[in-house]
Order: sequence, then structure tokens, then C-alpha cells
Amino acid sequence: AQRVTQPEKLLSVFKGAPVELKCNYSYSGSPELFWYVQYSRQRLQLLLRHISRESIKGFTADLNKGETSFHLKKPFAQEEDSAMYYCALTGHSGGYQKVTFGTGTKLQVIP
Amino acid sequence: DTGVSQNPRHKITKRGQNVTFRCDPISEHNRLYWYRQTLGQGPEFLTYFQNEAQLEKSRLLSDRFSAERPKGSFSTLEIQRTEQGDSAMYLCASSLGQDSTDTQYFGPGTRLTVL
Repeated sequence: AQRVTQPEKLLSVFKGAPVELKCNYSYSGSPELFWYVQYSRQRLQLLLRHISRESIKGFTADLNKGETSFHLKKPFAQEEDSAMYYCALTGHSGGYQKVTFGTGTKLQVIP
Repeated sequence: DTGVSQNPRHKITKRGQNVTFRCDPISEHNRLYWYRQTLGQGPEFLTYFQNEAQLEKSRLLSDRFSAERPKGSFSTLEIQRTEQGDSAMYLCASSLGQDSTDTQYFGPGTRLTVL
């Protein structure tokens, strides 16, 4: 079974402070991990994926297979980062894929 | 192309009624996904299609739920004999379908309220 855990429902930080949104996963195979973001009144959209090793809007996430984690980080939070963030894992079973999302963390950046 | 669209955006129904939702993916996308999201939870995977073939179904998809994608373009999700527990946001997403790291593009969702 595959599982994604986001332990924090709400994370409040001051503008300019570092941000770390935690994500831990459980999966027996080689996972494909993603971060999705949902800004107020907008639809869910991809922020970044581990395979791309990219930095989007200043956010990065490193896959740590030893700790089974994929935490999302940003060195200096901005007010426009306030949103709902979901970690997601794509696994494979019997040749088909299955996507599991975490419960989400609401990031609140205080001006 | 304005992205993934879903209709209706809101649906209120009485318990026991049948409802059908429609999803129109981005035109060149081969893969189409359905999710359900309840308050305080992340999207829960229901099923997905590769073109017209339904490849995977979650155990969440009881026999009251059925999804189709007859011509590999738009998809419908039908819920028969609705229950109050079916109240949720139903999300559709589509992707190119080249591999499992494809970006999924989400629609705005259909919010179902069962009275």
C-alpha cells in the first residue's frame, strides 16, 4: 500500500522566514513524487516533481529515500506563497498507476 | 484551449437520486483521472483512463459509481442512488499520458451536495 503523510495542517511563518513543508511517504517500489499547490479560488496545479530537480517560485524539494521524505523548502517566504500545498505520490501496481495525495498543509505567510 | 473543464460546477440533489458529471480534458491529452475530495482531505484517486480504456479503479469506487470515456475524449462520472456520504468535490484531471511523471492538469471541480 502507498501512503503520503503531511503532518501539519497549518504552517504559519512570517514574510522573509524560511519555509519547510513536510511530506513523508510509504511505498515499496521506486516512487514518483510531486508537490501540488492550490491558491485561493484557483484550481489545483503542479508546483514541482522530484524527477525534474527543478526550483519553481523559489521552492525546492529533495527526495530522501533513506528517510522516505520529500519536504518542500523555500529560503524566504513571500506573501503570495500563501496557499494549500499537497504532496502526491504515483505508484505502480500490476502495470497501472495509482496516485495518492496527502491531506495537505495550509501555508500562511504573515506580512 | 482553456484547460480542463467540468460541468456542472455545483450539484444539489436528494438522497437516492442519480447524478452525472462531465469532464472535458485538454484536447491532446490521452490520460484522464477522476478524484474525490472531502473537507480537510487531499484528493482521493477514484479511477483513470488511457484513451477510452479504464485502467485502474480505486476501492472507493463502489458499484454505485461508474465512469466512462467512450471516444477517448470527454468523460462522465455517474453516481447512482446517491447517499449523503457522497457529498464532496469531484475533480477531473488530464495528462499527455506519455509516462507517470506527466503533469496532471486539474479542472475546477464539481461540488456535489446530497441532502
